[in-house]
Amino acid sequence: KQEVTQIPAALSVPEGENLVLNCSFTDSAIYNLQWFRQDPGKGLTSLLLIQSSQREQTSGRLNASLDKSSGRSTLYIAASQPGDSATYLCAVRRDGGATNKLIFGTGTLLAVQP
Amino acid sequence: KAGVTQTPRYLIKTRGQQVTLSCSPISGHRSVSWYQQTPGQGLQFLFEYFSETQRNKGNFPGRFSGRQFSNSRSEMNVSTLELGDSALYLCASSHGADRYNEQFFGPGTRLTVL
Repeated sequence: KQEVTQIPAALSVPEGENLVLNCSFTDSAIYNLQWFRQDPGKGLTSLLLIQSSQREQTSGRLNASLDKSSGRSTLYIAASQPGDSATYLCAVRRDGGATNKLIFGTGTLLAVQP
Repeated sequence: KAGVTQTPRYLIKTRGQQVTLSCSPISGHRSVSWYQQTPGQGLQFLFEYFSETQRNKGNFPGRFSGRQFSNSRSEMNVSTLELGDSALYLCASSHGADRYNEQFFGPGTRLTVL
């Protein structure tokens, strides 16, 4: 059974700092991994999607990496800003079968202090 | 292009009642998935519909059901509501035909059961 873990559960950093969020999954048989952010009481905003055959993806100040064999992904945020404060979730889409089902991690609550 | 829309945004019901939630996917997307988000359990997969057919189902009781219409809009229904059904219900939209496609979430429906 696929399990997804995110460490740390919460993180507080001063504005301008670079930071790394971690995501681990137990079953390496995945199609892809997606990173989302969620603002309080809101839906999920897709940040980056990494295919199982890729090593990393970049979008602006965000860079996500994937090491499928070790079951790990990281989300790197450069030059953090107060507007980056949110909960960050990773989700994996497992291999096998025609399905879009995502298995989510528990999230990392990020606070960027001005 | 309009994003994923969900209606209503907020609902208050009492135990024993039933409720219907609606999700309109991004134009051209044929897959709609539903998730339940609670503080204790996080994000859990309910079911997925693709071209009007249920393609996958999570581990929820039969009180939770759904359907998809020919225009890809989807509804989920919860009968005989329980206090534990209070949650944020999110739907996700994707193209559906490509196993690597990205998923986009709506703003959610906040259901409170009294």
